[in-house]
Amino acid sequence: KAGVTQTPRYLIKTRGQQVTLSCSPISGHRSVSWYQQTPGQGLQFLFEYFSETQRNKGNFPGRFSGRQFSNSRSEMNVSTLELGDSALYLCASSLARPTGNEQFFGPGTRLTVL
Amino acid sequence: AQSVTQLDSQVPVFEEAPVELRCNYSSSVSVYLFWYVQYPNQGLQLLLKYLSGSTLVESINGFEAEFNKSQTSFHLRKPSVHISDTAEYFCAVSERQAGTALIFGKGTTLSVSS
Repeated sequence: KAGVTQTPRYLIKTRGQQVTLSCSPISGHRSVSWYQQTPGQGLQFLFEYFSETQRNKGNFPGRFSGRQFSNSRSEMNVSTLELGDSALYLCASSLARPTGNEQFFGPGTRLTVL
Repeated sequence: AQSVTQLDSQVPVFEEAPVELRCNYSSSVSVYLFWYVQYPNQGLQLLLKYLSGSTLVESINGFEAEFNKSQTSFHLRKPSVHISDTAEYFCAVSERQAGTALIFGKGTTLSVSS
């Protein structure tokens, strides 16, 4: 079974631009979560989608948004990029709750904001 | 609100030595507990998890962790480490009721040298 895939793997943007990241979950998984990883803040939860609905959200500004499609693929969008948005963005998929919340992570998208 | 504290940011050890990576958590509700490992330039891989039942859980590569409810700890141990165990290790919790959001500790870098 293929794992979680994320595209692109690397991205360079400038301040003020917007960016869209993509995540394809493991086949059969209906829940997709997004996390931001930075050296200073560590791993922080952004949001989680299940059956095309956002059902959990972390403490991030409204510039961070996402959506999920009927095939469970998910996209994350960041508008008006700031230097502090430079991070590794990780996507994770899981079957559904309650399953012990085991999440399978993708390799991440490394976003650099100049 | 939950929080996770990994007490050591870096743990250097020699090959074949035992190691313990410490993790304490805070939560007002019952939680699931996890250890994830991240190798350089890769996503997170689940190492082991505690959902219920036996408080001692083991991974396939020799790691084990024990859930101690009274001390709110979930320390990770290995009796004899290998060079290939060099990686960053993250302890994480999630509420049993709230869905799949994982709250991570800041991580512990395990460096194994010969």
